[in-house]
Amino acid sequence: NAGVTQTPKFQVLKTGQSMTLQCAQDMNHEYMSWYRQDPGMGLRLIHYSVGAGITDQGEVPNGYNVSRSTTEDFPLRLLSAAPSQTSVYFCASTLRLGTPSSYNSPLHFGNGTRLTVT
Amino acid sequence: AQKVTQAQTEISVVEKEDVTLDCVYETRDTTYYLFWYKQPPSGELVFLIRRNSFDEQNEISGRYSWNFQKSTSSFNFTITASQVVDSAVYFCAPPLNTGFQKLVFGTGTRLLVSP
Repeated sequence: NAGVTQTPKFQVLKTGQSMTLQCAQDMNHEYMSWYRQDPGMGLRLIHYSVGAGITDQGEVPNGYNVSRSTTEDFPLRLLSAAPSQTSVYFCASTLRLGTPSSYNSPLHFGNGTRLTVT
Repeated sequence: AQKVTQAQTEISVVEKEDVTLDCVYETRDTTYYLFWYKQPPSGELVFLIRRNSFDEQNEISGRYSWNFQKSTSSFNFTITASQVVDSAVYFCAPPLNTGFQKLVFGTGTRLLVSP
């Protein structure tokens, strides 16, 4: 099992450019989410998905789009990058509530994507 | 509204010292949970433990121990005989929902252990 895989690891964008951060998991997890980490602010939830075809907004969704066409993949799209989106982005997954193991299943995180917008 | 506070921004200790990290979780819920994660300098997030407000026993795992003080809504995390490899940022994170999927992270405590 590779766990949660994020690509790329590093990215530099110019203001106004678009890009997609990729996230894939091979643990058959139904729940996936995106967080951003900024200095002194911990991690903040951007978007999440409880299964294929279902997405919802988190705490800081503005400027980001997501879709969930398969259980394995949950890409995060920046349509028009802004310097305020300079951050480290983490994708996470876990079992969905209701499964036998879900009570003790923590969020599994990818290794992060460091994004700089100039 | 729920609020999680890690008031200690940074703690510096010398190897072999014991160190306690504090996390205060303000909520109206009578039963609640808290996750602890570690983020070493390499940047990945590592799950440490989930604790419940109704756990009466302290949880001990090797050099790590956790206890909950109900009177202050404080979940404390103690590392005994700290080591350089313990240097990391530690986050506490209560869940927003009963499924534990949506976590609210504190701002983290950076622990520096020097030899």
